[in-house]
Amino acid sequence: AQSVTQPDIHITVSEGASLELRCNYSYGATPYLFWYVQSPGQGLQLLLKYFSGDTLVQGIKGFEAEFKRSQSSFNLRKPSVHWSDAAEYFCAVASILTGGGNKLTFGTGTQLKVEL
Amino acid sequence: NAGVTQTPKFQVLKTGQSMTLQCAQDMNHNSMYWYRQDPGMGLRLIYYSASEGTTDKGEVPNGYNVSRLNKREFSLRLESAAPSQTSVYFCASESWGGEQYFGPGTRLTVT
Repeated sequence: AQSVTQPDIHITVSEGASLELRCNYSYGATPYLFWYVQSPGQGLQLLLKYFSGDTLVQGIKGFEAEFKRSQSSFNLRKPSVHWSDAAEYFCAVASILTGGGNKLTFGTGTQLKVEL
Repeated sequence: NAGVTQTPKFQVLKTGQSMTLQCAQDMNHNSMYWYRQDPGMGLRLIYYSASEGTTDKGEVPNGYNVSRLNKREFSLRLESAAPSQTSVYFCASESWGGEQYFGPGTRLTVT
């Protein structure tokens, strides 16, 4: 069965510092991978996705992620964090449902705090 | 363009009461989903509808029912609420490109 591990529950960075959020997945086939961000009291917003091709994918808000098959990882990065990036970040892997569509299996999330 | 909308935003129920959570999308997507979010557990799939007229169970369907009313609307019903159903519920719809778009959520408390 597919699974996603986000080893860091909380991360604190200073504004302007670089950021890397870790994500490891377990999936038998070529994975479809996603990063979502959730601000307090809000829904989830898609940051970026990886389906195939270039292993470095660019997303919104200056985020990027790199797919590494050998390490089963899909880490999220940002060169310079802004205070508005404080939120919870979720990594997810998609699997095909027998009835059609795709189930997203989420990690437990990483809470990002940004110090001014 | 509203995307995915959910009502209500907040609800408090007593054990045994029933309620229906409403979800609608205006993006002409075929597939729609209901997830629940609990602290430390990420989101888990309750039910999904791959297309109008079809519904299927996800990983945590017990205590819930769904209706795909039409292509736009997908409702989730709790027939007899239990404290274990206290959670935040998210509806999502999926684009042809495989991206799921989420609504703002319904925060449900069962006392």
